[in-house]
Amino acid sequence: DAGITQSPRYKITETGRQVTLMCHQTWSHSYMFWYRQDLGHGLRLIYYSAAADITDKGEVPDGYVVSRSKTENFPLTLESATRSQTSVYFCASTDRNPNQPQHFGDGTRLSIL
Amino acid sequence: DQQVKQNSPSLSVQEGRISILNCDYTNSMFDYFLWYKKYPAEGPTFLISISSIKDKNEDGRFTVFLNKSAKHLSLHIVPSQPGDSAVYFCAPSGTGGTSYGKLTFGQGTILTVHP
Repeated sequence: DAGITQSPRYKITETGRQVTLMCHQTWSHSYMFWYRQDLGHGLRLIYYSAAADITDKGEVPDGYVVSRSKTENFPLTLESATRSQTSVYFCASTDRNPNQPQHFGDGTRLSIL
Repeated sequence: DQQVKQNSPSLSVQEGRISILNCDYTNSMFDYFLWYKKYPAEGPTFLISISSIKDKNEDGRFTVFLNKSAKHLSLHIVPSQPGDSAVYFCAPSGTGGTSYGKLTFGQGTILTVHP
């Protein structure tokens, strides 16, 4: 199906573990983004990518790593998870930037115990 | 330091009446303003936008107003319907400086439309 999909939808892990959240889009959009949503903060940008092999930091990048070897995939890795990274994570994409609507996945709810 | 503020965490209106959601910003580099709507357990979906060269944009029941001098925008929904019940996010972006190509989200306003 066309669109943007995130996996897993729910994940529970322990502090110190590495966890990777997946994002896949079928539109061949150039731009992809990772956000986290926390109460009282709306959505905050973690990392974004303008094209394959081009990534840059957003507002809250510490503790996260991204890669973009293929246009359609943009995984987000927490190398050593901490409780403060418990959040809902959203991936988004757009074909042109700036000032174009981004299309969001349905999110991954991550709990770190 | 929050660059985008939606000062009303929640809003409750009766079906058929007008809903007005407000958003204030501080970054003068913002020149494009988007509104997103979000239902529980789903991602945000784009609703309507406005460029800084305009002061009003209308799409069906949804109208966005921009007051650049006051750094304020508002989303009007009329008439409101129960299906409009969701969280609404204001998300400006810019073409200059550190805001280039990035959306900055407000905290969101929970709209509840009662039948």
